[in-house]
Amino acid sequence: SQKIEQNSEALNIQEGKTATLTCNYTNYSPAYLQWYRQDPGRGPVFLLLIRENEKEKRKERLKVTFDTTLKQSLFHITASQPADSATYLCALDMIRTGANNLFFGTGTRLTVIP
Amino acid sequence: DGGITQSPKYLFRKEGQNVTLSCEQNLNHDAMYWYRQDPGQGLRLIYYSQIVNDFQKGDIAEGYSVSREKKESFPLTVTSAQKNPTAFYLCASSSRTQGYTFGSGTRLTVV
Repeated sequence: SQKIEQNSEALNIQEGKTATLTCNYTNYSPAYLQWYRQDPGRGPVFLLLIRENEKEKRKERLKVTFDTTLKQSLFHITASQPADSATYLCALDMIRTGANNLFFGTGTRLTVIP
Repeated sequence: DGGITQSPKYLFRKEGQNVTLSCEQNLNHDAMYWYRQDPGQGLRLIYYSQIVNDFQKGDIAEGYSVSREKKESFPLTVTSAQKNPTAFYLCASSSRTQGYTFGSGTRLTVV
């Protein structure tokens, strides 16, 4: 069965530094991978999608990489701000299993310390 | 503004009672999904629907039922057969080329 591991449950960094979150997956080769932000008591919000043939994607202060050999995606937030504090979820498509849905990791809770 | 509306925000269920969670979208998305979120666990798929009048079971469908009579609506019923229903329920919709749009969730508690 599919498995996603996101690096520590919680990550604390100093304001202004770059936060790097890790998403490792096994037993599957996704066609694309997505990252979401979730605040407490709220639904996740879509941030970025990266396809298997893309090595890197950027959006403002966000950068995602996708290494299909390592089965890993890295999510970077540069010049981090306290407002970036949230839980970040990694999700894989399940198209190649015949299912048309996303499989989510448990998330990494990021705290940016002023 | 386009989006997904889930209601109610909080719901209390007595033992043996069926309850229905509402999910409405005005994004004109074909696909809709129901996920359950428990502390320390990822979102787990309950049911999803790609088109009207069609839906598929997800990983944890037992004790739940859905309908998709209209494109805009995808209600979830938590039946008495669901033995541990206390959780945060999230509805989402998507188009083929974009990420999911989630609702703000319904927190269900058994009393």
